[in-house]
Amino acid sequence: KAGVTQTPRYLIKTRGQQVTLSCSPISGHRSVSWYQQTPGQGLQFLFEYFSETQRNKGNFPGRFSGRQFSNSRSEMNVSTLELGDSALYLCASSLAVWGTGYEQYFGPGTRLTVT
Amino acid sequence: GQQLNQSPQSMFIQEGEDVSMNCTSSSIFNTWLWYKQDPGEGPVLLIALYKAGELTSNGRLTAQFGITRKDSFLNISASIPSDVGIYFCAGPVKGGSEKLVFGKGTKLTVNP
Repeated sequence: KAGVTQTPRYLIKTRGQQVTLSCSPISGHRSVSWYQQTPGQGLQFLFEYFSETQRNKGNFPGRFSGRQFSNSRSEMNVSTLELGDSALYLCASSLAVWGTGYEQYFGPGTRLTVT
Repeated sequence: GQQLNQSPQSMFIQEGEDVSMNCTSSSIFNTWLWYKQDPGEGPVLLIALYKAGELTSNGRLTAQFGITRKDSFLNISASIPSDVGIYFCAGPVKGGSEKLVFGKGTKLTVNP
């Protein structure tokens, strides 16, 4: 079974621009979560989508948004990029079934650099 | 909010040695997850723990769910060079379903 895939793997953007990252979950997984990883703050939860609905949200500004499609694929968007948005953005998927739902499987991430 | 404290922050060991690292919190967790991350890659799930006192193994890795539900331990036996990486503990935020909180990680270096 294929793992979680993320595209693109690397991205360089300029301050003020916007960016869209894509994630395809493991087949059969209905929950997709997004995390931001930086050296200073570590892994921080952005949001989670289940059946095309945002179920959970982290403490990030409204510039960070996401969506999920009917095939469970997800995208996240960051508008008006700031230098501090430079990070590794990770997508994780899970079955979201009681007893196993917390087992999240991560993709390789998208390395975003804002200049 | 709920926080996870990992220790040590880094470890330098010789190949063949056993390793032990832990994760603590002031809050109760109902699930503990241990991940390993290699440079430039996403975290890989190593072990999931769901019951207080539970001891689970995955090859040379053994993890335990503390009986107070406020801590967890990961042990690696007979370390090898490919064990190098950053090990993270994680747990679901109370009432947050899939929302995981992560520790800052333990960076492991294995000298051949």
